[in-house]
Amino acid sequence: NAGVMQNPRHLVRRRGQEARLRCSPMKGHSHVYWYRQLPEEGLKFMVYLQKENIIDESGMPKERFSAEFPKEGPSILRIQQVVRGDSAAYFCASSPSGLTGELFFGEGSRLTVL
Amino acid sequence: DQQVKQNSPSLSVQEGRISILNCDYTNSMFDYFLWYKKYPAEGPTFLISISSIKDKNEDGRFTVFLNKSAKHLSLHIVPSQPGDSAVYFCAAFSGGSNYKLTFGKGTLLTVNP
Repeated sequence: NAGVMQNPRHLVRRRGQEARLRCSPMKGHSHVYWYRQLPEEGLKFMVYLQKENIIDESGMPKERFSAEFPKEGPSILRIQQVVRGDSAAYFCASSPSGLTGELFFGEGSRLTVL
Repeated sequence: DQQVKQNSPSLSVQEGRISILNCDYTNSMFDYFLWYKKYPAEGPTFLISISSIKDKNEDGRFTVFLNKSAKHLSLHIVPSQPGDSAVYFCAAFSGGSNYKLTFGKGTLLTVNP
């Protein structure tokens, strides 16, 4: 399967714990995006990364959230000290060029905070 | 402030008939519009797009119409098939921020056999 791979698909955390979500883009894609979907809402942009660079993190909450896309390995979205309001589906997408808006999405990681 | 609105949470049509999904936007800076389809427990899949310089784009059974003066676009599916049953998201972006898609809340389409 050469699609965007996200793991874990489901993650349960207690309040105050850390959540790490991983995303491997499609082969040949160097642009990675993270979106969040809250219940009954559309997807909302969080961050755009290229290898080793954060291009735009204007959609990320100012605190507790961080993202990286290292030279080797998957992109990581990290949420520290999770709260119940962080419960959502987190989607990663990739594109080869970042030119058209046609993003290829993964199946998502569903985070539940107890 | 919702810049992309899909006012119908759900739509039900009979197989073989036309499905029309609507989307309104408020940001006049948007110049590219896309429709994504999403099945349960899967990620959104790109379906069709349209640039603001056009008023229609067609791809097989799917046609997107854009009315810039009304800030309205619609997706037509003809003929509708049961496999089209999914949530459809309208999305838009402006200028150089082509990665920062603004999504609507989605419309659940159910095509009945």
